[in-house]
Amino acid sequence: EVQLVESGGGLIQPGGSLRLSCAASGFTVSNSYMSWIRQAPGKGLEWVSIIYSGGVTQYADSVRGRFTISRDKSNNTLYLQMNSLRAEDTAVYYCATDGSGYLSFDYWGQGVLVTVSS
Amino acid sequence: SYELTQPLSVSVALGQTARITCGGSNIESKNVHWYQQKPGQAPVLVIYRDSDRPSGIPDRFSGSNSGNTATLIISGVQAGDEADYYCQVSRGVVFGGGTKLTVL
Repeated sequence: EVQLVESGGGLIQPGGSLRLSCAASGFTVSNSYMSWIRQAPGKGLEWVSIIYSGGVTQYADSVRGRFTISRDKSNNTLYLQMNSLRAEDTAVYYCATDGSGYLSFDYWGQGVLVTVSS
Repeated sequence: SYELTQPLSVSVALGQTARITCGGSNIESKNVHWYQQKPGQAPVLVIYRDSDRPSGIPDRFSGSNSGNTATLIISGVQAGDEADYYCQVSRGVVFGGGTKLTVL
């Protein structure tokens, strides 16, 4: 059974850094494409970043240069390093992955809240 | 960048058919996926690749994609279908703004 469990969220001041983790089970992170998707309070879904099985990464314009997606094969975990955080980065962050092979997001974690505020 | 347009809200009577649209330039050339999200929960994939259903999704959910519009169709709407629905395309991951489905 595929499971994704995010951690690392919390309250952080503007300009600060935070690293989110997404522990995966039931599949191999390095063999799949995985993404971070966020949802600001009361708003819609916003794609943040993706890492493909081959290691290629992509970012939304809103986070490029500030966020870095990575993965660790040894502990089957996805990461999102978030630097220079802004108030508008406040959101629930989900990790998600494919199951269909068509770049859909079949599996989602429960989400972790990041609040950027002074 | 590619944009997807959804109506903010759709209302449908219990037992009737709901249609939620997702507009995008030549969207028929892309794979469109649909998600259901209930308050406080993570999204759930209900349709992938325009019209395929993941395991466990009722056949009341279907989809189509033609021209500049993809459509999620929910037949025999139930109270439990009340939720936010989002479309998504794959190439350059993009989500629509979401549609709140209200069951009357």
